[in-house]
Amino acid sequence: TQLLEQSPQFLSIQEGENLTVYCNSSSVFSSLQWYRQEPGEGPVLLVTVVTGGEVKKLKRLTFQFGDARKDSSLHITAAQPGDTGLYLCAGELRAAGNKLTFGGGTRVLVKP
Amino acid sequence: GAVVSQHPSWVICKSGTSVKIECRSLDFQATTMFWYRQFPKQSLMLMATSNEGSKATYEQGVEKDKFLINHASLTLSTLTVTSAHPEDSSFYICSASTGRGNTEAFFGQGTRLTVV
Repeated sequence: TQLLEQSPQFLSIQEGENLTVYCNSSSVFSSLQWYRQEPGEGPVLLVTVVTGGEVKKLKRLTFQFGDARKDSSLHITAAQPGDTGLYLCAGELRAAGNKLTFGGGTRVLVKP
Repeated sequence: GAVVSQHPSWVICKSGTSVKIECRSLDFQATTMFWYRQFPKQSLMLMATSNEGSKATYEQGVEKDKFLINHASLTLSTLTVTSAHPEDSSFYICSASTGRGNTEAFFGQGTRLTVV
């Protein structure tokens, strides 16, 4: 069992539709980050959330950190083919020093 | 964001040989770098934490004698896969943190290792 459970594992939608990716844990994180990774490349940081209940927006992407800092969600509005990729959440646990714990990833495919 | 450069992007080597992968932080000093392994269509698996000037800390199940890590300076960490075998073929990724505030990690481009 992974410390950070990401769901769904795979999502295939049509261009223009909305989608939500979830990241859940029973542990409390001091911060949580979302990354997007394209094939053959390293992950690229999208956002960091720190405060419980925090909501951050990045164009069509909305990130939310749960009040208890145990879960997070990523919502994409009007998805475009360029949003296709592997989305990874990663949490920082104080007890683990400055290591990041990664979720299993959600593979998103946006079809034109 | 900070820039982390990884080299080479891909490498093919013969079974039994060793391969060195470099990870450089280009515009900041990184006291800590991390090495990950990623299998196709899977998430990142942390292999080890590389600390400048000291020994690396390996995750459970990772052979320290097989995956040699050196972090000789604040901007360079290297991972050497020794006596590589086909099962070591994978995508290896490094990351570095600026160390300021939260642990925002900046990743290298990754190295695709194929052992034949």
